[in-house]
Amino acid sequence: DTAVSQTPKYLVTQMGNDKSIKCEQNLGHDTMYWYKQDSKKFLKIMFSYNNKELIINETVPNRFSPKSPDKAHLNLHINSLELGDSAVYFCASSQTGTRGYEQYFGPGTRLTVT
Amino acid sequence: AQSVAQPEDQVNVAEGNPLTVKCTYSVSGNPYLFWYVQYPNRGLQFLLKYITGDNLVKGSYGFEAEFNKSQTSFHLKKPSALVSDSALYFCAVRDKGTGRRALTFGSGTRLQVQP
Repeated sequence: DTAVSQTPKYLVTQMGNDKSIKCEQNLGHDTMYWYKQDSKKFLKIMFSYNNKELIINETVPNRFSPKSPDKAHLNLHINSLELGDSAVYFCASSQTGTRGYEQYFGPGTRLTVT
Repeated sequence: AQSVAQPEDQVNVAEGNPLTVKCTYSVSGNPYLFWYVQYPNRGLQFLLKYITGDNLVKGSYGFEAEFNKSQTSFHLKKPSALVSDSALYFCAVRDKGTGRRALTFGSGTRLQVQP
């Protein structure tokens, strides 16, 4: 069973379009995250939700909007896509109270904006 | 603010030799420290973590890391490298005191193990 899954794995779209990436975890964790990995492989936190409540919102354009319908899902919606949004987006999850908040990552979604 | 530095973009080592991938960190309080590995076109896989206690932490696939508080370092080590260890390795930190749950990652170090 996949612990953290993301769909789609690849997403190719044109500038100006709106797209969504879905994430689901079956680990029973209460916290989920979105990270962005750029072309130089640098990873940076974008958002984090705990029990469906937004707890981290980094300096991300407001074209990006996370949505958490329940604890097991955290989706990322992106409006008016730009070339600079091309990256790999990783979803992750962790559980409050586990020492260190060890995070488990999904396989990533490679977004290419043309 | 918390930060992580991985000073080497790439580390080359011959198979069977010991390997070290360096990491230094900066936090205002006490750190939680992690190592993750990323294989091509894959997500990040957890290797090991330091929370408290013994400074030498053992993890998956024969990897270990040594926490050094005075040098603010958390170097990843393996006694005998395998070609299959070739991948991108990330060090990450979380500040215990802030309550901030997100990890701050280093820039990554590409490990190349030559047969």
